[in-house]
Amino acid sequence: GENVEQHPSTLSVQEGDSAVIKCTYSDSASNYFPWYKQELGKGPQLIIDIRSNVGEKKDQRIAVTLNKTAKHFSLHITETQPEDSAVYFCAATEGFQKLVFGTGTRLLVSP
Amino acid sequence: GAVVSQHPSRVICKSGTSVKIECRSLDFQATTMFWYRQFPKQSLMLMATSNEGSKATYEQGVEKDKFLINHASLTLSTLTVTSAHPEDSSFYICSARDWQGADSNQPQHFGDGTRLSIL
Repeated sequence: GENVEQHPSTLSVQEGDSAVIKCTYSDSASNYFPWYKQELGKGPQLIIDIRSNVGEKKDQRIAVTLNKTAKHFSLHITETQPEDSAVYFCAATEGFQKLVFGTGTRLLVSP
Repeated sequence: GAVVSQHPSRVICKSGTSVKIECRSLDFQATTMFWYRQFPKQSLMLMATSNEGSKATYEQGVEKDKFLINHASLTLSTLTVTSAHPEDSSFYICSARDWQGADSNQPQHFGDGTRLSIL
């Protein structure tokens, strides 16, 4: 089955800096890759996603890149703000419906 | 749009009690809902996939008689933890996927979770 690895596990940046979180996946058949932000005590919130027919997608300060050949994808957050502090999860599809999640990255943005 | 409501948000009960958690898609129809379990500082682990009008599909190692799932309508799925014990204490989260025909690559939208504490 699909296996998703995520790095780093923790990331501390200063406000205004950029943050990059990287994930690799194992199943070459995976074709959908969402990113979720989870704040303490809440459920994950979808922040951006990318499909396998696209190499890059951007939404304001957030961008995701996908390298199908290398089977890795990354989340880029520019001009970070304290409210970006949360746990971020990447995920990849397995089969028709399921998502397999990475282990999470705890992002701390210091003012 | 794509709001998923989960209730209750927190449950504290005695060992041996059965607990029901509801997951509703408020502004879309969800033929498929998912139930996850999350331990502190860990990732989401899929427990089961719930399809409207049919039996749920459980992941390996998840006891179907322990975690009863019902998905009777396009907007409601329930998870019942039967005869709960302290080891069942966890954060349970549901998600729902908007129905879009044969397109499987529709986002999963999550509820805010239920923190279950068994004394």
